[in-house]
Amino acid sequence: AQTVTQSQPEMSVQEAETVTLSCTYDTSESDYYLFWYKQPPSRQMILVIRQEAYKQQNATENRFSVNFQKAAKSFSLKISDSQLGDAAMYFCAYRSSGGTSYGKLTFGQGTILTVHP
Amino acid sequence: DGGITQSPKYLFRKEGQNVTLSCEQNLNHDAMYWYRQDPGQGLRLIYYSQIVNDFQKGDIAEGYSVSREKKESFPLTVTSAQKNPTAFYLCATDLGINNSPLHFGNGTRLTVT
Repeated sequence: AQTVTQSQPEMSVQEAETVTLSCTYDTSESDYYLFWYKQPPSRQMILVIRQEAYKQQNATENRFSVNFQKAAKSFSLKISDSQLGDAAMYFCAYRSSGGTSYGKLTFGQGTILTVHP
Repeated sequence: DGGITQSPKYLFRKEGQNVTLSCEQNLNHDAMYWYRQDPGQGLRLIYYSQIVNDFQKGDIAEGYSVSREKKESFPLTVTSAQKNPTAFYLCATDLGINNSPLHFGNGTRLTVT
């Protein structure tokens, strides 16, 4: 079974600075999908960014970008020019592309991000 | 507007009672999921369904049951066999293809005393 590990329970950043959230995963599959979700205090889950494992190019969405290292099974999220509205719990998630785990999304434990003004 | 509706937002039950959490969607998504969220443990998959009248157990299905009689609805029943039912429950949907992101409802907070 796949596992997703977020080793940083909490992180903090100053407004306008850059922060990187770590995520590693364990899988024997070669094709899969990775996601970062954000959960603000409202508890509404919001997609931040996604990455297909077969793509070597790192995904970018405005101030959010990933560093995808397939061999190292690492998928970190970089938030540039941090804003107060970025404060939330961030979850890394893995989705299998086939086999008995097809369609299942496995989440990490989450990282609480605090943004200081 | 298209979306996912979970009701109620807060639910209180006595120990030993079954309770059903509602999840309705009008996104026309094929796949629906139930996740449980506990502090420090992220989201854990309870059950999921990729098509009407079919569903699969997730990682923590014991003490839960579901049905998928129509595309729009995927209710979750928390039975008295679930040992620690107090949690935040999230329903999600997607198109049923791998690069499709999950869309989440606003969740139901269940408290059992």
